[in-house]
Amino acid sequence: RKEVEQDPGPFNVPEGATVAFNCTYSNSASQSFFWYRQDCRKEPKLLMSVYSSGNEDGRFTAQLNRASQYISLLIRDSKLSDSATYLCVVTEGGGGADGLTFGKGTHLIIQP
Amino acid sequence: DTAVSQTPKYLVTQMGNDKSIKCEQNLGHDTMYWYKQDSKKFLKIMFSYNNKELIINETVPNRFSPKSPDKAHLNLHINSLELGDSAVYFCASSQENQPQHFGDGTRLSIL
Repeated sequence: RKEVEQDPGPFNVPEGATVAFNCTYSNSASQSFFWYRQDCRKEPKLLMSVYSSGNEDGRFTAQLNRASQYISLLIRDSKLSDSATYLCVVTEGGGGADGLTFGKGTHLIIQP
Repeated sequence: DTAVSQTPKYLVTQMGNDKSIKCEQNLGHDTMYWYKQDSKKFLKIMFSYNNKELIINETVPNRFSPKSPDKAHLNLHINSLELGDSAVYFCASSQENQPQHFGDGTRLSIL
């Protein structure tokens, strides 16, 4: 069974702090990895893709560890607007429904 | 210009009815999807469809059927609605292995 596991949280973090989440996946054949953000009662939106070499976009850094089968998301200097649910997404190629798995999400609350 | 649009945004109906949700994408993507997000916020894929193939999540009841009149549209038909069908349904599209773009969601409530 293909699984993507995330700590559901909530993570309560003071504004300005650094916070990190991990996501583990079960299928070693997984090919593509993404972090999505979902605000309450809104649709998921792509935050960033995750590359083997790691990638950074402003305050956000994503890492992939294929050997241990996990991906991570680091948020530096957190803002109140970062409060959301962060979804880990793993695909296994082919683009079909049987190759896409969403984690259940990690709920982040940034406190003033 | 909305990239992935779905209608209606809200749908309230009685148990046993048949309803449809429409989805259109103007991104030129090859693949479209339907997801269900339940009260526990778990996002679960129901279907994916491109010009060649419909892939169905085996846990989806056959009361749910996707219909694609063309590459830019994937509508969701639901027969004999049940209480447990209450959820938010998201349409999405993508190119193969690329990130998905989601519609705003349709909030379905069964009375």
